[in-house]
Amino acid sequence: QSALTQPASVSGSPGQSITISCTGTSSDVGGYNYVSWYQQYPGKAPKLMIYDVSNRPSGVSNRFSGSKSGNTASLTISGLQAEDEADYYCSSYTSTTTLVFGGGTKLTVL
Amino acid sequence: QLQLQESGPGLVKPSETLSLTCTVSGGSISGSNYYWGWIRQPPGKGLEWIGNIYPSGTTYYNPSLKSRVTISVDTSKNQFSLKLTSVTAADTAVYYCATLGRWQPSYWGQGTLVTVSS
Repeated sequence: QSALTQPASVSGSPGQSITISCTGTSSDVGGYNYVSWYQQYPGKAPKLMIYDVSNRPSGVSNRFSGSKSGNTASLTISGLQAEDEADYYCSSYTSTTTLVFGGGTKLTVL
Repeated sequence: QLQLQESGPGLVKPSETLSLTCTVSGGSISGSNYYWGWIRQPPGKGLEWIGNIYPSGTTYYNPSLKSRVTISVDTSKNQFSLKLTSVTAADTAVYYCATLGRWQPSYWGQGTLVTVSS
C-alpha cells in the first residue's frame, strides 16, 4: 500500500492560516470518511486532532479544522500560534481493510 | 481516561523476535468495540501502521509486514501484544500501541524505542 501524499513542509506567520493537504485515491481518502489528522511534537506520541474528516475531539482548539474534496483531505490551522509548530500526519482507512498514513508535514511558524 | 503503556526489550538482535506488550488502564479491552493496534516510527521518519486486533481476536495486518507479524490479546490481563519475527536494522523504531475507533488511532501509548543490533 502506498503512503498518502503530504507536502514535506509548510510555514506561516503567527495569526495567519495554513492548509496541509493529504492526497490519496478513491480506495482510501476518496472512498471513506475515516480520515484523521495527528499532531506530533519531537519525542512525543502523536495526538489526534481531527477524526472522521472534520470532527474535533474534546479539548482540541477550534482553530483546527478538516475537510475533504475527492481524493484529497485538508487540515487548516487558523490564527497560527508558535505552539502549533510540529509535525502533522494524516491517515485513512483503505478498501483492503488496512490503515495508511501520510508521509508527514513539518509546520514551521515563522 | 484511557491509558496505554508499552513494555518490552529495548534491544533485539538481528534475526530474532521482537516482542512488546501494551497494558491498558482506564477501560476494558473486552468490553470495547474498538480496535487495538500497533504503529511504528523509524527514527526521523514517518508513521507506519503495523496491525490491529479486535477484542474477538480478529486481526488485520500491514501487507508489507504480514508474514512476520502476530498481534494477540489477553483480555484477562487487559493487554495486547506484538510479535515481529526475523527482525533487521530496518525494524528499529519507536513502537506505539493505540486504540482505534473506526480505524482512527485516538489514544496512544507514549511509545517505546526498539533497536535492532547485535
